[in-house]
Amino acid sequence: DAGVIQSPRHEVTEMGQEVTLRCKPISGHDYLFWYRQTMMRGLELLIYFNNNVPIDDSGMPEDRFSAKMPNASFSTLKIQPSEPRDSAVYFCASSQTSGSRETQYFGPGTRLLVL
Amino acid sequence: GEDVEQSLFLSVREGDSSVINCTYTDSSSTYLYWYKQEPGAGLQLLTYIFSNMDMKQDQRLTVLLNKKDKHLSLRIADTQTGDSAIYFCAEGGGSGGYQKVTFGTGTKLQVIP
Repeated sequence: DAGVIQSPRHEVTEMGQEVTLRCKPISGHDYLFWYRQTMMRGLELLIYFNNNVPIDDSGMPEDRFSAKMPNASFSTLKIQPSEPRDSAVYFCASSQTSGSRETQYFGPGTRLLVL
Repeated sequence: GEDVEQSLFLSVREGDSSVINCTYTDSSSTYLYWYKQEPGAGLQLLTYIFSNMDMKQDQRLTVLLNKKDKHLSLRIADTQTGDSAIYFCAEGGGSGGYQKVTFGTGTKLQVIP
């Protein structure tokens, strides 16, 4: 398997524009996570899905952020409108239910810069 | 809620041992993890320990768990320049469930040649 795939790897946009980040989890994994990493706040869990259903979105900063998982092999994180404080590295991760220890497999991240 | 804390930075000389420390708050945590993040990459699981264990050794890595004090440490023996990375402590299997893993802020390890 190619691992978790994220696109784009880098995104530069202007304040007010819509940004869409994409993720393809590892085939067969039933959990998908979106994280945001910044110097100030470290690694934050934004939202996670189980079998395409959002389970916990309490980490989503505000209504400008939305995430969807229309099928088992694709998820998007959308920011509309974007603001400079959204600049961060956004990671997608996936895992497979085991009933015990969970290993999350991370994608390479999308580095977002909002000017 | 769950909280995991780490020091932000550690600098060691090549060949020395590195010890990265972590404290967590969820006493019901079942698994404690160490993830490694190399520059420009995502996190990768390095090792883990089950909460009923005190120690786990895996080649150059030694994980120590003091469950009473909720303290976890990662020791890297004979640290190499390739070990330079950010190391994240994480806990799971507690009140958040197995799938939700709470990560610390990460400790940046700098290995000086």
